[in-house]
Amino acid sequence: DQQVKQNSPSLSVQEGRISILNCDYTNSMFDYFLWYKKYPAEGPTFLISISSIKDKNEDGRFTVFLNKSAKHLSLHIVPSQPGDSAVYFCAASEASYGKLTFGQGTILTVHP
Amino acid sequence: NAGVMQNPRHLVRRRGQEARLRCSPMKGHSHVYWYRQLPEEGLKFMVYLQKENIIDESGMPKERFSAEFPKEGPSILRIQQVVRGDSAAYFCASSTGTASYEQYFGPGTRLTVT
Repeated sequence: DQQVKQNSPSLSVQEGRISILNCDYTNSMFDYFLWYKKYPAEGPTFLISISSIKDKNEDGRFTVFLNKSAKHLSLHIVPSQPGDSAVYFCAASEASYGKLTFGQGTILTVHP
Repeated sequence: NAGVMQNPRHLVRRRGQEARLRCSPMKGHSHVYWYRQLPEEGLKFMVYLQKENIIDESGMPKERFSAEFPKEGPSILRIQQVVRGDSAAYFCASSTGTASYEQYFGPGTRLTVT
C-alpha cells in the first residue's frame, strides 16, 4: 500500500535549467507535505514544506506546488546546480500523527 | 548547534546477536522517530516516542524489535536475534512536537548482519 509515490526513479538536468520532481499521494487525510534531500551515507535533509491550505511555497531556488484535487505535488529547483545532485524524497503527514510517509525517492543528476 | 546524533554509524552483527542503536535528539526536541531504509527503497516509519512514552509503534515488527526513550539519555532501538533481512540503514529523527511533521534526521546507522 504505497500511499506516497514518486514515479520517476531518476531525472537528469543541465546546470542552470529547471528541475521538476513529482510526487503523488492517495491518502486524503494527509495535510502536510515535505521534501527532503539525501546524499549517500547521510541522513535526509529537510528542504521545504507545504501545508494543505496552501498551493505554493517558495524558499530561494526551491518552490513546492500542491494540487489537492489531483493529489499531486511537485518540487521546482531553479536554477539547478551540480550540488543539487542527490536523492529527493517527498513525504506526507497527517497533523494528528507524528509519522512521515515517504515516497521511494528520485535521483536527480545535474550536469555541468 | 548539534544536530541529531546517532551511533554507531556502522554496526556489524552475526545472525542471532543483538543490535543496539542509539539516538540523541536535537537540543530542545522532545520527540523521536525511527525509520528504516531497505536497499533501493524509501524510508519506512517504525516508531514514534516521547520521553518515557511510546506514542505510535505501528511500523515496528511485532517480534524482536523494541524502542525506548528514557527520561535521561538517548533513545535506543533494540533488535534481538538479528537476521539477514534486518540489514538496512536505520535513521532517527527528532522534532519539537509543536510542529511534529518537521522532523530533522540524524546520519543513520547502517546495520549489516552477516
